[in-house]
Amino acid sequence: NAGVTQTPKFRVLKTGQSMTLLCAQDMNHEYMYWYRQDPGMGLRLIHYSVGEGTTAKGEVPDGYNVSRLKKQNFLLGLESAAPSQTSVYFCASSRLYGYTFGSGTRLTVV
Amino acid sequence: ILNVEQSPQSLHVQEGDSTNFTCSFPSSNFYALHWYRWETAKSPEALFVMTLNGDEKKKGRISATLNTKEGYSYLYIKGSQPEDSATYLCAFGETSGSRLTFGEGTQLTVNP
Repeated sequence: NAGVTQTPKFRVLKTGQSMTLLCAQDMNHEYMYWYRQDPGMGLRLIHYSVGEGTTAKGEVPDGYNVSRLKKQNFLLGLESAAPSQTSVYFCASSRLYGYTFGSGTRLTVV
Repeated sequence: ILNVEQSPQSLHVQEGDSTNFTCSFPSSNFYALHWYRWETAKSPEALFVMTLNGDEKKKGRISATLNTKEGYSYLYIKGSQPEDSATYLCAFGETSGSRLTFGEGTQLTVNP
């Protein structure tokens, strides 16, 4: 009963490097989300998807891209990492409301 | 950007104390109000989903109330235990879509 799985769990990047965070869910949920969590700022929505092949911008989308080619996967890409993107990233999925969260990816950009 | 506010930001209580926190949210376009419990180094876990004005939910020693007309929800913990130590998040859902807007959370520490 995996739920929502995020990979990797930790990563250190150099400024300017690129990477992709993977979120996979096995609950057949339509909706998927990427949030970042920073001290004193709570969870802020980066991008989200309401179904396979669709994506939309959230509150803080700049510097990130996403893709939802398969219903079960939602990828978050950083094309050119910046220190301001140091954060903990959470993926979540839902049928409509009632999120199931992944365990988070701690990313440090140096 | 929707404004979802939680107070207090942090709270320290002694084991056995009862406590409560507040979540305030926009009173227009209301669809649902969620409460999550978030332990350090883990992911948020759903506590309650409330959709109707006057809703009251209870799970063990934890309960929540909802007032959609004035835009607030209270979370109560009766007889706090050290294992209740966590950050409690509320999240507001609008009628316009599935995404939730989260508050910053109330960090509860229960001292033995």
